[in-house]
Amino acid sequence: GESVGLHLPTLSVQEGDNSIINCAYSNSASDYFIWYKQESGKGPQFIIDIRSNMDKRQGQRVTVLLNKTVKHLSLQIAATQPGDSAVYFCAPRGSGTYKYIFGTGTRLKVLA
Amino acid sequence: DTAVSQTPKYLVTQMGNDKSIKCEQNLGHDTMYWYKQDSKKFLKIMFSYNNKELIINETVPNRFSPKSPDKAHLNLHINSLELGDSAVYFCASSQGPLTQETQYFGPGTRLLVL
Repeated sequence: GESVGLHLPTLSVQEGDNSIINCAYSNSASDYFIWYKQESGKGPQFIIDIRSNMDKRQGQRVTVLLNKTVKHLSLQIAATQPGDSAVYFCAPRGSGTYKYIFGTGTRLKVLA
Repeated sequence: DTAVSQTPKYLVTQMGNDKSIKCEQNLGHDTMYWYKQDSKKFLKIMFSYNNKELIINETVPNRFSPKSPDKAHLNLHINSLELGDSAVYFCASSQGPLTQETQYFGPGTRLLVL
């Protein structure tokens, strides 16, 4: 079956530093990927997405990199702020399917 | 304005009871979803409806029955609740099922079965 793994369950970063959250996926047919942020007590919230025909996409303070060869995604957050503290999920979608497979999540802790 | 809303926010009940969770979206989306998130934050899809038609039905006990009276509402009814049903249940919606659109999540319903 499909699986999504994360290299680090918890990441602690000093405020102002850059954060990198990694995600490995298993389905090579995945054609679309979303990163979500989930703050404590809330539902997941869209951060940024990327299609499989791209290898990089930038948003405001966030960049997603996609390496289809090794089936790996990363989310980079520049100048990490206390408000970035949350659990981050990557969610690949299989081509032609309705389903997103969520990873187990990485908890990002921002240290003052 | 709340885009995706769920009621109740908290639900504490005894084993064996039957309960319902309601979800409404005011985004004009065609597709709605139910997810279950366990204590380890693992988020797994349960059901999806597109224009009131069931399109995803994962391996979920048949004690769980979704109902979509119209495309703005997707309710989840659970019969004979078990301890293992304790989790946070999230409703979500998206423009369509196959478009590359993000899903908008509700605030979650925290279910505790005693």
